[in-house]
Amino acid sequence: DAKTTQPPSMDCAEGRAANLPCNHSTISGNEYVYWYRQIHSQGPQYIIHGLKNNETNEMASLIITEDRKSSTLILPHATLRDTAVYYCIVSERGATNKLIFGTGTLLAVQP
Amino acid sequence: DAMVIQNPRYQVTQFGKPVTLSCSQTLNHNVMYWYQQKSSQAPKLLFHYYDKDFNNEADTPDNFQSRRPNTSFCFLDIRSPGLGDAAMYLCATSRDGSGEQYFGPGTRLTVT
Repeated sequence: DAKTTQPPSMDCAEGRAANLPCNHSTISGNEYVYWYRQIHSQGPQYIIHGLKNNETNEMASLIITEDRKSSTLILPHATLRDTAVYYCIVSERGATNKLIFGTGTLLAVQP
Repeated sequence: DAMVIQNPRYQVTQFGKPVTLSCSQTLNHNVMYWYQQKSSQAPKLLFHYYDKDFNNEADTPDNFQSRRPNTSFCFLDIRSPGLGDAAMYLCATSRDGSGEQYFGPGTRLTVT
């Protein structure tokens, strides 16, 4: 079973920051937090991952709380093309990195 | 561009008629995965290969099999498709030790 809890849906105005929360209160010390997104009728796309430090790349920022029980994915300037289902996944970073997807958050960016 | 390719994008098969879905990759990744995604649900891992080693998920039905003849190609065989097997089938790859998986566009399977 998925080890994360996310709101089923969120709205965001185009050009504004989208902040997507994720709860992973049972995360263990060697598990990473991964974020993927899936645009309608496409395969999932990797966004970012982190262990305990905040991370930033060209797509997004990941903020992980100090106790690691929750995290927030931030899309700094959402566009209509960011409308997608966003999945937060916790997984050990081992040889095969199996991903157990939860239900995700449907982010709808409004014009 | 390096990528994960799935063929065909759409496949229609008859109830009980064996079907094979294919996946190829130009990333030279040693791990390949197959996921099933039913309508309005999240992707569900069926099995994966670590190099040539096959790893089946405990709840994957016996009706689903896989082959990986070389690093670049992986096949999903459904021996006797039922109506409940209609879904999007996603192939993904990753490099040993990396947490990033690269997904193909998927094959949408319809069973009539």
